[in-house]
Amino acid sequence: NAGVTQTPKFQVLKTGQSMTLQCAQDMNHNSMYWYRQDPGMGLRLIYYSASEGTTDKGEVPNGYNVSRLNKREFSLRLESAAPSQTSVYFCASWGANEKLFFGSGTQLSVL
Amino acid sequence: QKEVEQDPGPLSVPEGAIVSLNCTYSNSAFQYFMWYRQYSRKGPELLMYTYSSGNKEDGRFTAQVDKSSKYISLFIRDSQPSDSATYLCAMREGAQKLVFGQGTRLTINP
Repeated sequence: NAGVTQTPKFQVLKTGQSMTLQCAQDMNHNSMYWYRQDPGMGLRLIYYSASEGTTDKGEVPNGYNVSRLNKREFSLRLESAAPSQTSVYFCASWGANEKLFFGSGTQLSVL
Repeated sequence: QKEVEQDPGPLSVPEGAIVSLNCTYSNSAFQYFMWYRQYSRKGPELLMYTYSSGNKEDGRFTAQVDKSSKYISLFIRDSQPSDSATYLCAMREGAQKLVFGQGTRLTINP
């Protein structure tokens, strides 16, 4: 049982480059999320998807786009990366009893 | 002002000590309160959750919610080195969308 799988685990980009972070869950969950985690800032919600075909902005959506490709997959795209987007990114899906299942994270550096 | 405030620490205590971790919040509509534990280079995992005010105990862990003071706590009894991690409080209103605190980094020294 894989849970939530994120790729890649590490990425280094130059300013202005684009990339897509991939996320897939195998638990048949409806809701999926993208968070970023920065020192001293906790987890901040970028975008979420309550169900297949719907997406909504979170607290810090600027500079990002998302796609809910199907029930399993939820991707996050950086169109033109900036140094301020250097962070650790977590994908998550919502299970029962207030439980968010997190992936192992993507450490992104933008130079 | 952030909706949820949590002292980031770091907090360092000897093995066996009682640990108290706290969060305050400003949104009185929050009804669900959670504590997540995050080990280094891992995603957070749910430790405990409570609904509305009151206490909940699970082994060495006790979660308390005081809605009148907008204050939640997590107590760890007989702390172990394996409890060393970052602890994040989280809360929500109705929608399945959590607001997290900044996280407190805890180290238990053998």
